[in-house]
Amino acid sequence: GEDVEQSLFLSVREGDSSVINCTYTDSSSTYLYWYKQEPGAGLQLLTYIFSNMDMKQDQRLTVLLNKKDKHLSLRIADTQTGDSAIYFCVRRGSGNTPLVFGKGTRLSVIA
Amino acid sequence: EAGVAQSPRYKIIEKRQSVAFWCNPISGHATLYWYQQILGQGPKLLIQFQNNGVVDDSQLPKDRFSAERLKGVDSTLKIQPAKLEDSAVYLCASSLGQGSEQFFGPGTRLTVL
Repeated sequence: GEDVEQSLFLSVREGDSSVINCTYTDSSSTYLYWYKQEPGAGLQLLTYIFSNMDMKQDQRLTVLLNKKDKHLSLRIADTQTGDSAIYFCVRRGSGNTPLVFGKGTRLSVIA
Repeated sequence: EAGVAQSPRYKIIEKRQSVAFWCNPISGHATLYWYQQILGQGPKLLIQFQNNGVVDDSQLPKDRFSAERLKGVDSTLKIQPAKLEDSAVYLCASSLGQGSEQFFGPGTRLTVL
């Protein structure tokens, strides 16, 4: 199976909450990130969490980490049409190890 | 602050031809990365530079791909000769140092016919 897995598509109505889920296999993952990619634009780091944390909140974004199950989620509250993009779950080990990306979840927000 | 610049934005070539991509990182960023993003997949690291030295090129197909960062600033990635499966977006990223936040450029979309 893939190192980092996430569902490929998610569709939500404007104003609802979006939850994007991700699982990973490498238990040595120290840093876990969520990146956003909009058409024609570069990848943008949205938020990150260290493996010794289980939750991080940043305005409309909430990241939950279940280290035992190797499960990461990103919740976007009050989803807006501007949130439509591809969201990548990314992990990295300690030291200078490379970023490992999932295939991305395409979020579509319906007005 | 200017972001990571890449050129060209789009390139169409025929298989067996050569192509080169250019990247100008954020000023002061010592670490530079090249990624390949095939349609429907996440980016995959090809090569990482620290200043003008290669840190990791384990995923670079060295029979056809080469990259350099001679003066520790700009970088070029070359493919020679190109194959159909090289069609992808090539992303350049830079960071202050190894392990620091990476900032990505807009990418170069390569189509090999």
